[in-house]
Formats: sequence, structure tokens, C-alpha cells
Amino acid sequence: GAVVSQHPSRVICKSGTSVKIECRSLDFQATTMFWYRQFPKQSLMLMATSNEGSKATYEQGVEKDKFLINHASLTLSTLTVTSAHPEDSSFYICSAREWGEPNQPQHFGDGTRLSIL
Amino acid sequence: SQQGEEDPQALSIQEGENATMNCSYKTSINNLQWYRQNSGRGLVHLILIRSNEREKHSGRLRVTLDTSKKSSSLLITASRAADTASYFCATVLNQAGTALIFGKGTTLSVSS
Repeated sequence: GAVVSQHPSRVICKSGTSVKIECRSLDFQATTMFWYRQFPKQSLMLMATSNEGSKATYEQGVEKDKFLINHASLTLSTLTVTSAHPEDSSFYICSAREWGEPNQPQHFGDGTRLSIL
Repeated sequence: SQQGEEDPQALSIQEGENATMNCSYKTSINNLQWYRQNSGRGLVHLILIRSNEREKHSGRLRVTLDTSKKSSSLLITASRAADTASYFCATVLNQAGTALIFGKGTTLSVSS
């Protein structure tokens, strides 16, 4: 089946550091990838929709200058948390959908646990 | 914003018992999907049911969809300890067409 690889799986860094998370579709092309954020014991909240070759679409309340998204190829999207602070600590998950109609399941990465000290 | 509400929030059962989780949503949908998440991991797709379908089976899973009530249920039969996880329903809206909007999830604990 389709596989999405997310890297790194865990990051611990100091406040003020910028952190880049990669999301790759390994055996399919993904024109659209999605970035979610999940707090402990809560559901996934959609942050942004990443479209290959164009600007990402951010959900209301998500700072685009804080969470930079780049989708430069059909198999790679990156999320950069700029100047991260403790309140940015969370579990970030990406997903990708194979090109086609919306009636296809999304494939998720294993997530990145970000801890800002 | 979240679309769905799962019920119950937590469910504890014994191995061999059936587990039923319910999901309600607010707006018209293209399809509804159920996902499973083991602690600290990504999500695994379980089953997708389209808005014109009423019931779907996959192994020990049975999903129903009632668009008039804007609700869905996931039934896991003959549960196993390995079924312990969080289960989320997610909808694809007609208008947006692509992004998944997740419910709050049900945490299932199956004890042996």
C-alpha cells in the first residue's frame, strides 16, 4: 500500500530554534499534502493544505509566517516551525492523498513529536 | 474546525466483546472515513464509506452511515487486545472536497 514517510520522528530543541519536518510520499505522487497538529489526548486539527507548485492554504488561526510550508515536488512537502517556542510543542502529522477524486483515503506519516525547551 | 463528535469518548471492554463507536457530523459530506491511531503514532485508514452508501464491511469492522441523521457507527466484533487504540471518524466535505475534518475520537481499551 501507499506509504508516507515523515522525518524526524522526534525533535527536542531550545526555544528560538527553527525546526523543519519532512513529509514524503514513497510510492505515489501526491499533488496535495496536509499538515495536522495534535495536542495530547485530543484530535487532529488541520493546519494547512499543501499544494505542489503553489502556496499552501492555511486554516484560520494558523500563522503562515510561523509555520512555513513548501511543496516543491510531487513527493515532498516540508513544514518549518520558525523560531519555535514552548507553546509550539505538539505532535505534528502529515498526510497525502493520491491524485484523483476525494473518495480516496489519505495516507499518514508516523508523526513528529516536537518538544521545545 | 472539527466536524465530528465521537461517542463515547472512552470505552473499556473485555477481549471477545464487540465495541461500538458512534460519530456525528454537522454538514453535508462527500464521504466519511474511520481511522485508528496507536499511542504516539500516525493514523491508519480503516474504512471509507461514501455518502450514497449505508453500510460497509471489512473483516471484523462494520461501518454504517445515516446521512439523514448525519451519523455513522463503527462496530468492531470479537475485539482483541491489539485493537486497543484511539479511533477517529473524519469527513470530506462536499465543498472543500479534499481535506479531512476529524472528530474528537474514541479511546478503546480491550483487556485480556
